[in-house]
Amino acid sequence: QVQLVQSGAEVKKPGASVKVSCKASGYTFTNYFIHWVRQAPGQGLEWMGIINPSGGRTSYAQKFQDRVTMTRDTSTSTLYMEVSSLRSEDTAVYYCARVHDYGDYSPAYWGQGTLVTVSS
Amino acid sequence: DIQMTQSPSTLSASVGDRVTITCRASQSISTWLAWYQQKPGKAPKLLIYKASSLESGVPSRFSGSGSGTEFTLTISSLQPDDFATYFCQQYHSYSYTFGQGTKLEIK
Repeated sequence: QVQLVQSGAEVKKPGASVKVSCKASGYTFTNYFIHWVRQAPGQGLEWMGIINPSGGRTSYAQKFQDRVTMTRDTSTSTLYMEVSSLRSEDTAVYYCARVHDYGDYSPAYWGQGTLVTVSS
Repeated sequence: DIQMTQSPSTLSASVGDRVTITCRASQSISTWLAWYQQKPGKAPKLLIYKASSLESGVPSRFSGSGSGTEFTLTISSLQPDDFATYFCQQYHSYSYTFGQGTKLEIK
């Protein structure tokens, strides 16, 4: 079965960077795109971007173009999402999610989420 | 970016009620729309994809409809487990924006 297991909670100071990991299993890693979505406390869902694990090509929401980098390691079936220049507004739960199938890019299979807290 | 406007933001209903949540896109997204259910402290769960396709394992009381700019999620007979927050999301073009959510509360 499809599983996405994310790294544990992080506490960071403003201006620092954080790198969240998402280990995939139960399917062919390079065949399905992965989304990254975040949710600030008590708020809605915010789409951050998408990565093609096959070639590593990415597309980011304009808001995150300058501060977010999504990468992957095909040898370990792991995705990474790094946010730099953290500020308090980046405090959120960050999710990775695999697309539904070849013809449908809805985020269907979700990781458990990683809480990132930005505080001085 | 395509804006998604979801209504209502809060909905109070009783077990057995039929409820409808609406999502409007700022431009046509064909049928590239998904609906999610989220409970506190949990990841979202996909209910409906391509506007009207029921995800495997999701009860048939959930249904979706619409195309272009107007979409609805209907729960035909509310069950206690359905009280949660619901989000729509367009995936027609980047960025894949979400609606702001509808909290479904027990009346």
